[in-house]
Amino acid sequence: GAGVSQSPRYKVAKRGQDVALRCDPISGHVSLFWYQQALGQGPEFLTYFQNEAQLDKSGLPSDRFFAERPEGSVSTLKIQRTQQEDSAVYLCASSSEAGGHNEQFFGPGTRLTVL
Amino acid sequence: AQSVTQPDIHITVSEGASLELRCNYSYGATPYLFWYVQSPGQGLQLLLKYFSGDTLVQGIKGFEAEFKRSQSSFNLRKPSVHWSDAAEYFCAVINAGKSTFGDGTTLTVKP
Repeated sequence: GAGVSQSPRYKVAKRGQDVALRCDPISGHVSLFWYQQALGQGPEFLTYFQNEAQLDKSGLPSDRFFAERPEGSVSTLKIQRTQQEDSAVYLCASSSEAGGHNEQFFGPGTRLTVL
Repeated sequence: AQSVTQPDIHITVSEGASLELRCNYSYGATPYLFWYVQSPGQGLQLLLKYFSGDTLVQGIKGFEAEFKRSQSSFNLRKPSVHWSDAAEYFCAVINAGKSTFGDGTTLTVKP
């Protein structure tokens, strides 16, 4: 595709359920990023992949959050035992260069609501 | 640790007036700085970036920004605002894959 796509666009989960959010980056982009954006705030860094290697996961809020990119393209962010404070928009971005020092291209986001 | 501050939560300007959005950063070395725009229902779009060299950088849609190391600032400017510029604007710094965004400034444009 021409840009970064994310699915689903909207997800409603009951507290305690597990969810999986998918990101399809721009083909050939080596860097992939996940962010969490709460209402009225800027994106908060979660994790960074260079190809299939997860180089930085310092932003993951707890061990309930897990991300993978097994073949260096599609990535999945998994949240186990969701809590109400996990409600946010989850953004994925990709970049053609390592480190993301070049432009990051953002997807439309997945809006997660935990009831 | 790197940080970004956008002091103005909300700014209102009249169409055709000039605009300046403030951004202050905290980072130990020469930073990689970005401005992004987020319109309702749209994804984040890059306006411009600064890595090194000329401290005045030009971006898309008529925006520019000036890097001032002495003030740790990277303010965004536009000489004449259009109604379509109404959106949320984010300043960001990145180092080794880790980005830090400010909390954004919401721009309202009056007719």
